[in-house]
Amino acid sequence: SQQGEEDPQALSIQEGENATMNCSYKTSINNLQWYRQNSGRGLVHLILIRSNEREKHSGRLRVTLDTSKKSSSLLITASRAADTASYFCATAGSGNTPLVFGKGTRLSVIA
Amino acid sequence: DAGVIQSPRHEVTEMGQEVTLRCKPISGHNSLFWYRQTMMRGLELLIYFNNNVPIDDSGMPEDRFSAKMPNASFSTLKIQPSEPRDSAVYFCASSSTGEAYEQYFGPGTRLTVT
Repeated sequence: SQQGEEDPQALSIQEGENATMNCSYKTSINNLQWYRQNSGRGLVHLILIRSNEREKHSGRLRVTLDTSKKSSSLLITASRAADTASYFCATAGSGNTPLVFGKGTRLSVIA
Repeated sequence: DAGVIQSPRHEVTEMGQEVTLRCKPISGHNSLFWYRQTMMRGLELLIYFNNNVPIDDSGMPEDRFSAKMPNASFSTLKIQPSEPRDSAVYFCASSSTGEAYEQYFGPGTRLTVT
């Protein structure tokens, strides 16, 4: 299946710490994206990394992609209580195939 | 920009009733997606449209579900008749760059079928 699987399912950290979430997938991809979902809200796009890229940064977010291991990680540095949310990876396969979302990691940042 | 607009935000209905969910995508976006989210199954793609044309409806669970996009600014997802197992949050999303790229999600419709 193309579907990404996030790990861990849930993560609880103290404010100021770094949070790392991982995503594994099974088939070739065109790109991989990370989204955030606050409770009761829609998903919000965070960052996209293409299959020929290895690392990308956006503010406090750092995403890595290892296509040989079919895995990606999302690092949030200096976490804040407002980062509390569920984080989803979504993979786009080769060709014009739609995104497939994983089941997410629930991050709790404790102030 | 107002973002993707969905209505209603909450819907409670009895089994057997018809339910219609509505979505207005972001102006200028040419791809529209309907998703269903549950704790058990996560986020599932039901159907998506490019330029108002349905491209892939393989995620529509049963014939009870139907979706239309009569123009670039409006889409509906209809369930008839509704069943308790249809209870979920239904999201609409749109994209200007196609099905494989950044999507903008609406706030969702929480559907409860009793």
